[in-house]
Amino acid sequence: DIQMTQSPSSLSASVGDRVTITCRASQNINNYLNWYQQKPGKAPKLLIYAASSLQSGVPSRFSGSGSGTDFTLNISSLQPEDFATYYCQQSYSTPYSFGQGTKLEIK
Amino acid sequence: EVQLVESGGGLVQPGRSLRLSCAASGFTFDDYAMHWVRQVPGKGLEWVSGISWNTGSTGYADFVKGRFTISRDNAKNSLYLQMNSLTADDTALYYCTKALGRWGGGYWYFDLWGRGTLVTVSS
Repeated sequence: DIQMTQSPSSLSASVGDRVTITCRASQNINNYLNWYQQKPGKAPKLLIYAASSLQSGVPSRFSGSGSGTDFTLNISSLQPEDFATYYCQQSYSTPYSFGQGTKLEIK
Repeated sequence: EVQLVESGGGLVQPGRSLRLSCAASGFTFDDYAMHWVRQVPGKGLEWVSGISWNTGSTGYADFVKGRFTISRDNAKNSLYLQMNSLTADDTALYYCTKALGRWGGGYWYFDLWGRGTLVTVSS
């Protein structure tokens, strides 16, 4: 089974900051990597698919990169609505695992 | 309206069974793979199980293999999860999710989620 490890688990930042969240797969998943954002009491929302493709309607301040085992999610200039929990998910093979999440909090 | 609506959650005793349902609307249900993802309140997301558009392929997380069975009825636009031998560790909010594509074979992701149904396993 493929294990997905995110870091950090939590992060404090200010509006306007640039933030990077990393996700590491326990084996090569090419670029079968998705990123989701979840706000309290809500279902997750897709941000990035195939490691670097921005989902329609998602602001361009979000970007993804990586391939193989190491991936990053970048938010170029944090907005108040970006404070949430972020998850990576591999779509390479079953079981389709998620990372443990990164909670982004306001500093 | 494009939506997924889960039902069937509730309080159940350890060792008992429960069947979750998900009603889909607003899209061509039998064109897409479907999945269940769960979340313990305050914790992370866990993929539970998935099924291909035509029921030809299924997958399960290790922690539910042999206990849970996923199925779908395309004529009724419905997805199901039969959960047997439930334990306290199965207590979670269970989301029904739609995947892009029919099953594997290319880039895909969860592009539609329900609001979830809460399963509580307790004596």
